[in-house]
Amino acid sequence: KAGVTQTPRYLIKTRGQQVTLSCSPISGHRSVSWYQQTPGQGLQFLFEYFSETQRNKGNFPGRFSGRQFSNSRSEMNVSTLELGDSALYLCASSLALTYEQYFGPGTRLTVT
Amino acid sequence: AQTVTQSQPEMSVQEAETVTLSCTYDTSESDYYLFWYKQPPSRQMILVIRQEAYKQQNATENRFSVNFQKAAKSFSLKISDSQLGDAAMYFCAYLMNRDDKIIFGKGTRLHILP
Repeated sequence: KAGVTQTPRYLIKTRGQQVTLSCSPISGHRSVSWYQQTPGQGLQFLFEYFSETQRNKGNFPGRFSGRQFSNSRSEMNVSTLELGDSALYLCASSLALTYEQYFGPGTRLTVT
Repeated sequence: AQTVTQSQPEMSVQEAETVTLSCTYDTSESDYYLFWYKQPPSRQMILVIRQEAYKQQNATENRFSVNFQKAAKSFSLKISDSQLGDAAMYFCAYLMNRDDKIIFGKGTRLHILP
């Protein structure tokens, strides 16, 4: 089985721009979760999608949004980028949140 | 609000020795899940072990075992016969079944000394 893939792996943007990150889950997994990882805040839950519906959302501003397509692929969008959005963004897929999550390699976003 | 605390930012252990990573959490729920995830340097995060709160028996996976103390809200991870490949950041995580929002601790960086 192919693992979780994320594209792009690295991204450099400037403040005020927007960015879209992509995540392809493991085949058969309908749950896709997104996390932001920073040295200061650690790993923080952004949101979870299941069968194209956002089921849960963490404490992030509305600039962070996402969606899931019918093939379970998911995208995450961040608008009006701020310096503090620089982070490693991880995507994970699973059969359901209560089961094992399989993580992708992450997208390293740098905002300058 | 639920919180997960890992009180040891960094730990070191000699190869082949045993080490215990601590994790405490705060919740008023009775039904939830607890996880330990491992993030090796520059590699993907993987699940180490999973515990369902309603199960009294501690979960084990080969050299990895947990000491789950529900009343004390403690969920420590024991690694026996430590190997160089165990060097990683370890995250404790809590999932409230009803709410389905996963909360991670800040992590413990484990060094294995040869």
